[in-house]
Amino acid sequence: NAGVTQTPKFQVLKTGQSMTLQCAQDMNHEYMSWYRQDPGMGLRLIHYSVGAGITDQGEVPNGYNVSRSTTEDFPLRLLSAAPSQTSVYFCASSLAGGGARLFGPGTRLTVL
Amino acid sequence: DQQVKQNSPSLSVQEGRISILNCDYTNSMFDYFLWYKKYPAEGPTFLISISSIKDKNEDGRFTVFLNKSAKHLSLHIVPSQPGDSAVYFCAAQMTTDSWGKFQFGAGTQVVVTP
Repeated sequence: NAGVTQTPKFQVLKTGQSMTLQCAQDMNHEYMSWYRQDPGMGLRLIHYSVGAGITDQGEVPNGYNVSRSTTEDFPLRLLSAAPSQTSVYFCASSLAGGGARLFGPGTRLTVL
Repeated sequence: DQQVKQNSPSLSVQEGRISILNCDYTNSMFDYFLWYKKYPAEGPTFLISISSIKDKNEDGRFTVFLNKSAKHLSLHIVPSQPGDSAVYFCAAQMTTDSWGKFQFGAGTQVVVTP
């Protein structure tokens, strides 16, 4: 198993540009989520999904969209990037019932 | 509203000694707690978890203690090793809400010195 994969590893955007951060898992995990990590803030939940076709907002959803058309993939879209979205983004997947909780390696995004 | 707090941003400990990391939470609905370890430029790695029906869980050198009345948990690492130098995050879940959602503390940077 590859675990949780994220692409790209690094990205620089200009204000107003759009892009999609990719996340995929091959463990058939029901739950997937996106977090951002900022200095001194820990990880904050952006959006999460409890299964294909079902998504919901987390703590800091503004400026981000998600969809979950398959169990494996959970892309995060920035429609119009802002400097405040400069952060490190982590995707995670989980099983219910105390099962594995795995994080991807992260995407470092800089918005100029 | 930070519902999970790690009030010590850093901890320095000698190799071979015990590391004790603390975490406090404010939401009594949290029923599952986890500790993660994170190296620079990597994603967090799951270390150990505890359900609210227990007060202690052990896995090798790592033990997590939960005090529900105080809304406090701690992670003990014995003995500490140089490879334990990392940032440690505690996280909490309301599994009645979703297994997919965590709330994280801000992290504690642990440095293990020779």
